[in-house]
Formats: sequence, structure tokens, C-alpha cells
Amino acid sequence: GQQVMQIPQYQHVQEGEDFTTYCNSSTTLSNIQWYKQRPGGHPVFLIQLVKSGEVKKQKRLTFQFGEAKKNSSLHITATQTTDVGTYFCAVMEYGNKLVFGAGTILRVKS
Amino acid sequence: EAQVTQNPRYLITVTGKKLTVTCSQNMNHEYMSWYRQDPGLGLRQIYYSMNVEVTDKGDVPEGYKVSRKEKRNFPLILESPSPNQTSLYFCASSLNGDYTYEQYFGPGTRLTVT
Repeated sequence: GQQVMQIPQYQHVQEGEDFTTYCNSSTTLSNIQWYKQRPGGHPVFLIQLVKSGEVKKQKRLTFQFGEAKKNSSLHITATQTTDVGTYFCAVMEYGNKLVFGAGTILRVKS
Repeated sequence: EAQVTQNPRYLITVTGKKLTVTCSQNMNHEYMSWYRQDPGLGLRQIYYSMNVEVTDKGDVPEGYKVSRKEKRNFPLILESPSPNQTSLYFCASSLNGDYTYEQYFGPGTRLTVT
């Protein structure tokens, strides 16, 4: 089945520093979704990328889909304490199964 | 308010005692699914349903059953729970199984099997 590798597993940054998490696949993806899960909460949809080379922004968050549609990244500029949580990428596998990356846990020191 | 609800939110049980975790959505979504979340493993799909009476296995279906008799409800059944099923469970729904639609997650059910 579809495998999507997400790195890093964990990152601890100083407030104001930037943060990036990456998702990589060995196969070409039709699309990729990103979710955020706050500590003790449930995953919440952030965005979906569909087109090759697509870049989308949500305030301090920048999402990119690689030209070959095999990788994606989420970049947060100038992290804040409200950014803490786990960030997941997710891809739809053939047969309508949704496969999530293992997630990147972000901790922010104030 | 559009939402996915799960019950119970917390459950401690013993090995072999059958249990059901309910899931309900009020958004008229066709696609519903169950996930378990374990540290370092992310979210793994247990079962999913494209519509009423249509269910299929996800990546980790062993030890679980589901049913979809009504569009809004998708209960998860553990016929004979074992300690390795101790986990955090999420139900989710989306408009349909098309990849373009976002998943809406319930609040989660923390299950402990002793």
C-alpha cells in the first residue's frame, strides 16, 4: 500500500524560529492533505494540495507540493506558542483508503 | 453545529469483554472511517465506509468490526478486546470518498484494555 514518510518526528524550537515538516512518497501522489492536532485534541484539516508545484499560504503557514508530486512540505514562519501540536500529512490510497504520515510533533519554547 | 460525535470518550475494560464505540455525524456525509492513534505510528485506518451498507478494511482491521446501517452512524465493535487494542480511537467523516474532500474528526475515544 501507499507509504508516506514524514520527517522530522519531533522538533523543539524557540518562539520566533521557523519550522518545517516534510512528507515524502516513492510514488506519484494525486493530492496531499495536511492536518494539525493540538495536544489532547483531534486532527483538524488545514489544506489540500493538488497541482504539481503548488504553493499555498495561510498567514504564517506555507504549504508546497513538489513538482513531481512525490513530496510536500509545511513551513511555519516565526513560530508562536499557539503553533504547538502534531502536524500530519495524508494521502488517499487506491481504494479510497486514507493514509497518514507518522506526524511531526512541534514544541515551542517561549 | 456540524460535528462528529463519539461515545464514550474514555473507556477502561477487561480482556474479552465486548464493547461498542459509537460514532455519529450530522453533515449527511457519505464517507466515514475509524482510525487508531498510537505514539510514533500516526493515525492508522481501521475500517472505512463509502456509504450505507458499504464497508471495507483499512490498514489495521484485525480484531474490529463495523457496520453502516444508517448514513449518520458508524459504530466500531470490539468483539473480544485485547490489551494491544489499547489506543486512542478517532471516527471521521467526509462528504464522500473522493480525494478532494477534507476529513472531519470526532473528539476521540481513549480505550484501555487490561
